[in-house]
Amino acid sequence: KAGVTQTPRYLIKTRGQQVTLSCSPISGHRSVSWYQQTPGQGLQFLFEYFSETQRNKGNFPGRFSGRQFSNSRSEMNVSTLELGDSALYLCASSFDSLSFYGYTFGSGTRLTVV
Amino acid sequence: GENVEQHPSTLSVQEGDSAVIKCTYSDSASNYFPWYKQELGKGPQLIIDIRSNVGEKKDQRIAVTLNKTAKHFSLHITETQPEDSAVYFCAASKGNNRLAFGKGNQVVVIP
Repeated sequence: KAGVTQTPRYLIKTRGQQVTLSCSPISGHRSVSWYQQTPGQGLQFLFEYFSETQRNKGNFPGRFSGRQFSNSRSEMNVSTLELGDSALYLCASSFDSLSFYGYTFGSGTRLTVV
Repeated sequence: GENVEQHPSTLSVQEGDSAVIKCTYSDSASNYFPWYKQELGKGPQLIIDIRSNVGEKKDQRIAVTLNKTAKHFSLHITETQPEDSAVYFCAASKGNNRLAFGKGNQVVVIP
């Protein structure tokens, strides 16, 4: 079956711009989580969506937001981009948020802010 | 929140030898401990996991052990092969669909 699909794979944006990243989870998975990966901070949790509702939120500023659609696809948005937002953004899906059996990650979107 | 520490940061082993990566966690409420392998240009891939009601789990050349009292868990890779070279992440969760990750270990298998 198809894995977690993230688009685009690479993005280059200028400071102050905004960006939208997309994630299609594995078919049947209703929970989608987003992580930011950087060499210095490692993998940091951004937020989790389940049935179109944000269930968990990490410690990121309000410039980072997301949403989930009725087909479980999710998007995350970063507004007013800063150089420090350059990172690999990973989407992960799981089957059931009440019985956590771990994630399946996508390959990520590499965002570079210049 | 949960804090997961991972040691060593880089590990070099000869092909055929064993590799061991150790992690500690801070929150005694954590009950799920997965290990992920990340290869260059790819997202992390789940390779093995363990729950708090189990002390050890094995899958072919990979095993994980958990010591709840000491709050540490370890990944053991036996008979290492060049394709085992990657970054390995440990993580912990309280079952709320949120993982706290360690900073990762670069494992290099020398042929």
